[in-house]
Amino acid sequence: EAQVTQNPRYLITVTGKKLTVTCSQNMNHEYMSWYRQDPGLGLRQIYYSMNVEVTDKGDVPEGYKVSRKEKRNFPLILESPSPNQTSLYFCASRPDSARGAGELFFGEGSRLTVL
Amino acid sequence: KQEVTQIPAALSVPEGENLVLNCSFTDSAIYNLQWFRQDPGKGLTSLLLIQSSQREQTSGRLNASLDKSSGRSTLYIAASQPGDSATYLCAVEETSGSRLTFGEGTQLTVNP
Repeated sequence: EAQVTQNPRYLITVTGKKLTVTCSQNMNHEYMSWYRQDPGLGLRQIYYSMNVEVTDKGDVPEGYKVSRKEKRNFPLILESPSPNQTSLYFCASRPDSARGAGELFFGEGSRLTVL
Repeated sequence: KQEVTQIPAALSVPEGENLVLNCSFTDSAIYNLQWFRQDPGKGLTSLLLIQSSQREQTSGRLNASLDKSSGRSTLYIAASQPGDSATYLCAVEETSGSRLTFGEGTQLTVNP
């Protein structure tokens, strides 16, 4: 089944404890992206990747890191989480990295709470 | 900076009604506009994607239109069903960068 898989789905952690949210897609998609969803602010892009070893900042990259060493994986790293990073996170992918290239496929989300 | 607005924020209708959800955007320099559905606790599912050169797209009971010059899109749902209850979001992909800007969504409830 074609899908975007995120782990963990739910996580409670404490300020400053490094964590990684993994994202994997099995559709051989070039483009992958991370979003956070917050009440009143909607979905905002954190980072995106046009292909392996090519990443760029979205609208709210502060406090996050990403890497794209393999085409299928795009982990989101919080080096020193803070309470303002408490949010619902989504990973998404699409087949082609060209701009305007088509619909996005989303993972089911990872709900992160930082105490 | 692109801003995407969806009105109304919430809508409740009886089963069987035809309904229209609205999406407006401030910068018409877009590649495409996409409508998504989000169920509680779930990710987003793409419903329809309209390229900037297109006027509308249809899928089953759903029809989405795009008027790029006026910065508006509508999602028409025919003969609504309780299973259509969800939050509907629109997003535009700008020509100035490879990012999507999302609206905050319309929460739809279809009552049996």
